[in-house]
Amino acid sequence: LAKTTQPISMDSYEGQEVNITCSHNNIATNDYITWYQQFPSQGPRFIIQGYKTKVTNEVASLFIPADRKSSTLSLPRVSLSDTAVYYCLVARNSGNTPLVFGKGTRLSVIA
Amino acid sequence: DTAVSQTPKYLVTQMGNDKSIKCEQNLGHDTMYWYKQDSKKFLKIMFSYNNKELIINETVPNRFSPKSPDKAHLNLHINSLELGDSAVYFCASSQDRGYNSPLHFGNGTRLTVT
Repeated sequence: LAKTTQPISMDSYEGQEVNITCSHNNIATNDYITWYQQFPSQGPRFIIQGYKTKVTNEVASLFIPADRKSSTLSLPRVSLSDTAVYYCLVARNSGNTPLVFGKGTRLSVIA
Repeated sequence: DTAVSQTPKYLVTQMGNDKSIKCEQNLGHDTMYWYKQDSKKFLKIMFSYNNKELIINETVPNRFSPKSPDKAHLNLHINSLELGDSAVYFCASSQDRGYNSPLHFGNGTRLTVT
């Protein structure tokens, strides 16, 4: 399984763009990159998923360079409600491989 | 209209007791999971079921027994509870067993063993 490394914590002011980078140096050809968000006392929530280049949805953008050894989750104009833990996961499309969550990045948004 | 619902939300019990946590999903998904989140906030998969069939069992003590009566339900029964079982247990589901199929989590059951 590809191991992921991401910052333990980040702080940001409201209205700023936040970029959280995840390293996955041993990502395999069949692996997808997925990000989840977890608020206190809730289960993780799927944010975005990508394989290469750039993916954008109503919540975030995901940038993946050509070598796919890292990825960056971009949250535009964060608000206080974006304070949460963000997990980067790398997994292949194989249902017999357990999906492993790392420690995640704790984002604190300050007014 | 909750997609993945777990009951109870909180569970406080004594060592040695047996308890169950129920999970139901109304998303029509084929695959369901149980995850454990410990005090250090690590999320670890325990079990995965696909169409009522066990496909992942991650070195969980056999005191933990999942039961899937149908593909919309995956219950977790725990025998002889120990202090170390205290954690938050999350149920999740996905469309299928492929990992580009996003997981949908419930809001967790906080189990406290005294």
